[in-house]
Amino acid sequence: GAVVSQHPSRVICKSGTSVKIECRSLDFQATTMFWYRQFPKQSLMLMATSNEGSKATYEQGVEKDKFLINHASLTLSTLTVTSAHPEDSSFYICSAPPGQGLGYTFGSGTRLTVV
Amino acid sequence: DQQVKQNSPSLSVQEGRISILNCDYTNSMFDYFLWYKKYPAEGPTFLISISSIKDKNEDGRFTVFLNKSAKHLSLHIVPSQPGDSAVYFCAARPPGTASKLTFGTGTRLQVTL
Repeated sequence: GAVVSQHPSRVICKSGTSVKIECRSLDFQATTMFWYRQFPKQSLMLMATSNEGSKATYEQGVEKDKFLINHASLTLSTLTVTSAHPEDSSFYICSAPPGQGLGYTFGSGTRLTVV
Repeated sequence: DQQVKQNSPSLSVQEGRISILNCDYTNSMFDYFLWYKKYPAEGPTFLISISSIKDKNEDGRFTVFLNKSAKHLSLHIVPSQPGDSAVYFCAARPPGTASKLTFGTGTRLQVTL
């Protein structure tokens, strides 16, 4: 089945630095990738939708200059958290829409801790 | 505006019994619904889905029921097993296979021995 590989799984960074999270579709081409954030004991909230070769679409309230999304190829989408602050600490997950399958495929998630 | 709601944050069921997880939605444009299982610090795992043209879909121990008039769906797990203990999310999307999903708030299922 379709697999989305997400790295890193866990990252700790200092306030003010930037962190890049990568999601790769391993055995299929993902023209679209969804990026979610989950705070403890809360739902998955969609942050943005990346589309290969075009600008990402951000959900209301999400700062596009802070959360930079790049979808340069059909197999790679990246989320860069710029000038990270402790309130950006969260669990970030990417997801690709179903191809031949029925369910959306999710990456394994990245636990970001900003200290 | 929470368009997909799971009103029970937690549920405890004895092993072997039926687990029933509920989900309500408000957006009548949603036409495809999914259930995911999630462990802490992991991505969600797809369980089962249902299209709005159906009212029931079954896959092994998992059955999803959809009541469009009530904008309500439920996931039945029978028999429940200890390995089913996790957080379950329902999700919904409008028409279009690449449409974005809207997730519910999740229900933590604990299957006890």
